[in-house]
Amino acid sequence: QPVLTQSSSASASLGSSVKLTCTLSSGHSTYIIAWHQQQPGKAPRYLMKLEGSGSYNKGSGVPDRFSGSSSGADRYLTISNLQSEDEADYYCETWDTKSWVFGGGTKLTVL
Amino acid sequence: EVQLLESGGGLVQPGGSLRLSCAASGFSFSSYAMGWVRQAPGKGLEWVSAISGSGGSTYYADSVKGRFTISRDNSKNTLYLQMDSLRAEDTALYYCAKKSLQWLVDYWGQGTLVTVSS
Repeated sequence: QPVLTQSSSASASLGSSVKLTCTLSSGHSTYIIAWHQQQPGKAPRYLMKLEGSGSYNKGSGVPDRFSGSSSGADRYLTISNLQSEDEADYYCETWDTKSWVFGGGTKLTVL
Repeated sequence: EVQLLESGGGLVQPGGSLRLSCAASGFSFSSYAMGWVRQAPGKGLEWVSAISGSGGSTYYADSVKGRFTISRDNSKNTLYLQMDSLRAEDTALYYCAKKSLQWLVDYWGQGTLVTVSS
């Protein structure tokens, strides 16, 4: 089954951009993933589905500041013009037959 | 608008049972797989169980296999999770999740808290 690897933390300044990475394990580089945001004390929120080609499809109401891209086994979430409300945990997710996988999450701090 | 409303959480003693429900609305319930994801205090997301739209296929994380049972009633647009032989390590916020056609989550519920303690 696939494994998703994320950095445990990241930080960036208000108004700047940040690129979060989710890496698929060997043999699973073509998998589609989803990105989710979890603000403090809230339920997760679906952000987007991201394919290995780099094509992405965002959820309803997700701001234009959020975008996705891919390179090999890496799946990226880029947040531009960082706002204070972007301070949250970000999780990637994928599905294999019979197995559902989440990354460990990245805690984003907005400075 | 898609809505997922969980209920049934609470405090239960080790070895006890609990049944979670998730009432869904705003989409064609029987057309989509659904699942349960949990989050222990201060921890990340952990998948628990998933079920196909028809209910004919079910999947479980190793940590709950043999103790939890997922089911759905498509006539009532409701998803269930029967949890038996509960352990302290099952203490978590349990989220109901709608899956897209690619079996990835595209909607989340607000969660229901399960606490296993004597």
